[in-house]
Amino acid sequence: GQNIDQPTEMTATEGAIVQINCTYQTSGFNGLFWYQQHAGEAPTFLSYNVLDGLEEKGRFSSFLSRSKGYSYLLLKELQMKDSASYLCAVRGGGGSYIPTFGRGTSLIVHP
Amino acid sequence: DVKVTQSSRYLVKRTGEKVFLECVQDMDHENMFWYRQDPGLGLRLIYFSYDVKMKEKGDIPEGYSVSREKKERFSLILESASTNQTSMYLCASSSPPTVNEAFFGQGTRLTVV
Repeated sequence: GQNIDQPTEMTATEGAIVQINCTYQTSGFNGLFWYQQHAGEAPTFLSYNVLDGLEEKGRFSSFLSRSKGYSYLLLKELQMKDSASYLCAVRGGGGSYIPTFGRGTSLIVHP
Repeated sequence: DVKVTQSSRYLVKRTGEKVFLECVQDMDHENMFWYRQDPGLGLRLIYFSYDVKMKEKGDIPEGYSVSREKKERFSLILESASTNQTSMYLCASSSPPTVNEAFFGQGTRLTVV
């Protein structure tokens, strides 16, 4: 089975930096994803990590440590439009290509 | 741009009705998925398919079935809708290892009354 944990809700101030953590326990590992989902909309892909380390993409970065079963999504220079739910998803091993999702972290950005 | 299109954005059905949710993708992806999303529970996998006519149960298949007669189309069927199936339903597709991320449709908010 797979277990994915992330905080339920976070708040931050416009212009600040926020880090959203995700810990997981899976049988095998074949990649970790972060998605952004605005209220009432479909999730959209942000990042994919399969090797340890930091992947940077503009204001967003994602980090993975496979040995610790840990990832984080780092959002810099926060904007109001970053208020959304952030979903961590893990793909298990054994040839499975099915992502299992955490319950999501609702990020509220204040002016 | 990859497009995953779900046939309806909003649906209201009566208890006991048979309900069809349709999903079409235009990028020749092998894998297709149906999730439901409920507050506090996140996305839960109902069924997935990795090829035409192939299907596998996800975590919560009870009360649902699926059909994949063509590669681009994946249908979710509620055999006899019940009020506890009121939810947001999301279809997704992917094509690992070349396309690892899942592309989602806009979602169907189903209300069963």
